[in-house]
Amino acid sequence: DAGITQSPRHKVTETGTPVTLRCHQTENHRYMYWYRQDPGHGLRLIHYSYGVKDTDKGEVSDGYSVSRSKTEDFLLTLESATSSQTSVYFCAISTHTSSYEQYFGPGTRLTVT
Amino acid sequence: KNQVEQSPQSLIILEGKNCTLQCNYTVSPFSNLRWYKQDTGRGPVSLTIMTFSENTKSNGRYTATLDADTKQSSLHITASQLSDSASYICVVSAPGTASKLTFGTGTRLQVTL
Repeated sequence: DAGITQSPRHKVTETGTPVTLRCHQTENHRYMYWYRQDPGHGLRLIHYSYGVKDTDKGEVSDGYSVSRSKTEDFLLTLESATSSQTSVYFCAISTHTSSYEQYFGPGTRLTVT
Repeated sequence: KNQVEQSPQSLIILEGKNCTLQCNYTVSPFSNLRWYKQDTGRGPVSLTIMTFSENTKSNGRYTATLDADTKQSSLHITASQLSDSASYICVVSAPGTASKLTFGTGTRLQVTL
């Protein structure tokens, strides 16, 4: 998985609780992304980062926030988890913009009850 | 609206047989087209990436073709193996930032004995 780890790999949480997912890379790539994958949908971009402290929204950013204080770590926070955020979350990295190759992490399966 | 449509949704073939997966897209402008393989419970892994000027690209038993005029791509798998059982995702990139990737929903391939 190209030097990308995600933690936790599985999580079950209750509606209304905050949740933070972590993505860690050892490749020193500039760009990092958070996607969610749901049945019947292609992967959808939540947020991305183009450098330390530089982030921007994707197409499904409502209810999510991100932070990147170090090149190697990109955190995704669900401020108050809802059942609609039950999904598999993937982190990805790339050396340049998304026009370049993206490498994906192993995913985090999140269930909100 | 940019869209990527893949067909068939699912496919079952016998080991050793060939198969072809289809991808039609409406993304414009176009930067590149990628095919990913996603094993169950894992993140997507890149198979090929093609720019608009490339018609064919191979990666072992996988051969992708691209017709930028008709906005169609195909992924041909030769002499299938059980390990080819996976989802195959077509992704089209427009120039620019991370928000410019459009993912298909994938074709689920099962290779059986």
